[in-house]
Amino acid sequence: QQQVKQSPQSLIVQKGGISIINCAYENTAFDYFPWYQQFPGKGPALLIAIRPDVSEKKEGRFTISFNKSAKQFSLHIMDSQPGDSATYFCAASPDSNYQLIWGAGTKLIIKP
Amino acid sequence: DGGITQSPKYLFRKEGQNVTLSCEQNLNHDAMYWYRQDPGQGLRLIYYSQIVNDFQKGDIAEGYSVSREKKESFPLTVTSAQKNPTAFYLCASSMVAAWGDYEQYFGPGTRLTVT
Repeated sequence: QQQVKQSPQSLIVQKGGISIINCAYENTAFDYFPWYQQFPGKGPALLIAIRPDVSEKKEGRFTISFNKSAKQFSLHIMDSQPGDSATYFCAASPDSNYQLIWGAGTKLIIKP
Repeated sequence: DGGITQSPKYLFRKEGQNVTLSCEQNLNHDAMYWYRQDPGQGLRLIYYSQIVNDFQKGDIAEGYSVSREKKESFPLTVTSAQKNPTAFYLCASSMVAAWGDYEQYFGPGTRLTVT
């Protein structure tokens, strides 16, 4: 029940295309859903996050779509650029504590 | 400049030796975390601390130890009991709030190689 399942494991997208990464969870107590971006040899950094009271949040080319009934959320990267090539992690946290439950990560490669 | 520092960036040790990884933050965060990341893998929680002088085991605490004597510092010791210590170690910190976003800020990581 504590797991966050992330797919796909890896993704190759042409420059200018849309990259979509999906996550699913079971625990209905989760109420904070962030996405982190990690470049090789660096620590992850928060990209965008959402609370379940909204179904979508957009920041620039990055959008989180959230489906509470299906217990799924996804990251969409519009007009994908080679600089977006990185590993992306979804995560979830219940309001009752401060830990993040992490997905396994998606390695995204944007081909020029 | 506020942030998290981890040192050293690369660390090499012989099998059987204990080694301590440093993590310091000047963000005034209450909570600190240690994660382990293996190639192509996600983040696995080793230990976390929500307050000075208190810490909790994460999912893979065996073979590791921590201390939290100061709010700013959360060193991790990889002991000789850790069967497979070669990995990328990440330290993070976050606010502790009654309700809010629990953004975790990460350091640059320490890559430990044990031979």
